[in-house]
Amino acid sequence: GDSVTQMEGPVTLSEEAFLTINCTYTATGYPSLFWYVQYPGEGLQLLLKATKADDKGSNKGFEATYRKETTSFHLEKGSVQVSDSAVYFCALSDSGGGADGLTFGKGTHLIIQP
Amino acid sequence: GAVVSQHPSRVICKSGTSVKIECRSLDFQATTMFWYRQFPKQSLMLMATSNEGSKATYEQGVEKDKFLINHASLTLSTLTVTSAHPEDSSFYICSATGTRATGELFFGEGSRLTVL
Repeated sequence: GDSVTQMEGPVTLSEEAFLTINCTYTATGYPSLFWYVQYPGEGLQLLLKATKADDKGSNKGFEATYRKETTSFHLEKGSVQVSDSAVYFCALSDSGGGADGLTFGKGTHLIIQP
Repeated sequence: GAVVSQHPSRVICKSGTSVKIECRSLDFQATTMFWYRQFPKQSLMLMATSNEGSKATYEQGVEKDKFLINHASLTLSTLTVTSAHPEDSSFYICSATGTRATGELFFGEGSRLTVL
């Protein structure tokens, strides 16, 4: 079955540091890939997505590129801020938009220190 | 973005009692709702999918008689954990999709259930 593996946290960085959160997946066919973010006390929010190989999703300074050859979708940001502290979930969907639900990674807790 | 609200955010109950968690879509019609469960340091696991007016479809290994899901309207789905036991303690999250054209999933804030 489908699965998503992401680096375990917590990941602690200083403000303005470069961020990479690794995510790899196993799936049949050509899934869509997502990064969700959960800020403290809030629900998960879609951060970015990519629906086909070599697509790059980007939002709020975060980027991730759909790499089919390495089955990866690593999340990157060039300069993190304290407000980026949250839990980040990598996910995939075989149905493109999540109509059949999503398969999630375990989540990575990111802590940014001033 | 669209808003999905879950209630309660935290609940503590005694073993053997039943607990109901509500999931509401506040500004769109949720034709499909999903319920997830997350154990500590584990992935969010899909429990069931419910379409408005239909019986929920449960994932393999999820007991439908224990986790009762009702999706009677386009804005409300409920998850009832019946005869709860300590091993049911977990973080439950709902999500919804529907009339928003993108087909995007919108998530509730989650409900932390602790069974004593």
